[in-house]
Amino acid sequence: AQSVTQPDIHITVSEGASLELRCNYSYGATPYLFWYVQSPGQGLQLLLKYFSGDTLVQGIKGFEAEFKRSQSSFNLRKPSVHWSDAAEYFCAVGVISTDKLIFGTGTRLQVFP
Amino acid sequence: DVKVTQSSRYLVKRTGEKVFLECVQDMDHENMFWYRQDPGLGLRLIYFSYDVKMKEKGDIPEGYSVSREKKERFSLILESASTNQTSMYLCASSFRPLNEQFFGPGTRLTVL
Repeated sequence: AQSVTQPDIHITVSEGASLELRCNYSYGATPYLFWYVQSPGQGLQLLLKYFSGDTLVQGIKGFEAEFKRSQSSFNLRKPSVHWSDAAEYFCAVGVISTDKLIFGTGTRLQVFP
Repeated sequence: DVKVTQSSRYLVKRTGEKVFLECVQDMDHENMFWYRQDPGLGLRLIYFSYDVKMKEKGDIPEGYSVSREKKERFSLILESASTNQTSMYLCASSFRPLNEQFFGPGTRLTVL
């Protein structure tokens, strides 16, 4: 069965530090992969997506993610975190056969000044 | 600016009440979705609709129904609310099912 695992429930970083949020998926075919961000009190917003092609994907707000098929991973990175990046981050895989997104359980990011 | 709006940000209902959650999108999207979000469980799909009057069950449809009479509006119905339906409910829409989904701000429902 398809699934998405975000192993880190909560991550704390200092402002200006680099960030990597982990995402592993289980899916038999080439996946459609997404990262969404949810700021406090708001809905989800798409950061970036991977459908095919270049395995390094650039997104909004200075985020990028790398698709690694051999590791079944799609980790999200940012070189220098800003206080406004404090939010919850969700990784998702799109299941082509059912037209559904399967979301991970999320990683809450806290940023210290 | 594209928008998905939900009728209420916060809602408190009693056990056994019939509850309607409304969602409206202004992007002329074919597809609309209802999710519930619970701590530690992420987002789980309740129902989705790919066209007017069409609906498909998601992963957790029990205790819920939906209605889509107009393209821009997708309603989630709790026929008889129960305390285990206390949750955050998120509506989303997209042009195609696996394209970017645009989310509303959510409705936090408490069932007492």
